Amino acid sequence: EDKVVQSPLSLVVHEGDTVTLNCSYEVTNFRSLLWYKQEKKAPTFLFMLTSSGIEKKSGRLSSILDKKELFSILNITATQTGDSAVYLCAVPPQGGSEKLVFGKGTKLTVNP
Amino acid sequence: SAVISQKPSRDICQRGTSLTIQCQVDSQVTMMFWYRQQPGQSLTLIATANQGSEATYESGFVIDKFPISRPNLTFSTLTVSNMSPEDSSIYLCSVGQGLPQYFGPGTRLTVT
Repeated sequence: EDKVVQSPLSLVVHEGDTVTLNCSYEVTNFRSLLWYKQEKKAPTFLFMLTSSGIEKKSGRLSSILDKKELFSILNITATQTGDSAVYLCAVPPQGGSEKLVFGKGTKLTVNP
Repeated sequence: SAVISQKPSRDICQRGTSLTIQCQVDSQVTMMFWYRQQPGQSLTLIATANQGSEATYESGFVIDKFPISRPNLTFSTLTVSNMSPEDSSIYLCSVGQGLPQYFGPGTRLTVT
């Protein structure tokens, strides 16, 4: 069965800190891994990773994939209170469908 | 990315009743999905809404409980039937032309 495991489940930091969120996966015929940020209700798309070792970057957020070790990390530098959210990792399962299997998420709280 | 709207944004319903949630996209999309997020949990796929044919349900979800319609490439509805308190969740539609998927703003349902 396809599986996504995120750690830690929750994290509390102070503004300005750097955080690393982890996502490991087990899926047959891996195609891609996606990161989303969920504030309130709707997840918003951050990154999609398909190639190992290539960093995706957007402002203070970056992510990288290790296909050999089956994990990805999401880094946030110089955190701000607006980064407080649940960060979700997801993979499309085997079978070629575009549906997604999600991890439980990491709840990040950034205190001023 | 497409602009997605959902109605209602939230509702409080009595057990035994049904609620229909609408998802509207501002452009034609190939894939539409419905997810559920129970309190404190991650997203679980309910079904893939197929245009012009019956929806494809995931294990644990049945058409009698969650009937879905998709009359065209920009619109879908999910009905939560004969509700119980266990149906209290956030319901999310997502769309994509392949990956990534983009999510609507969600419907927060509380069943009393």
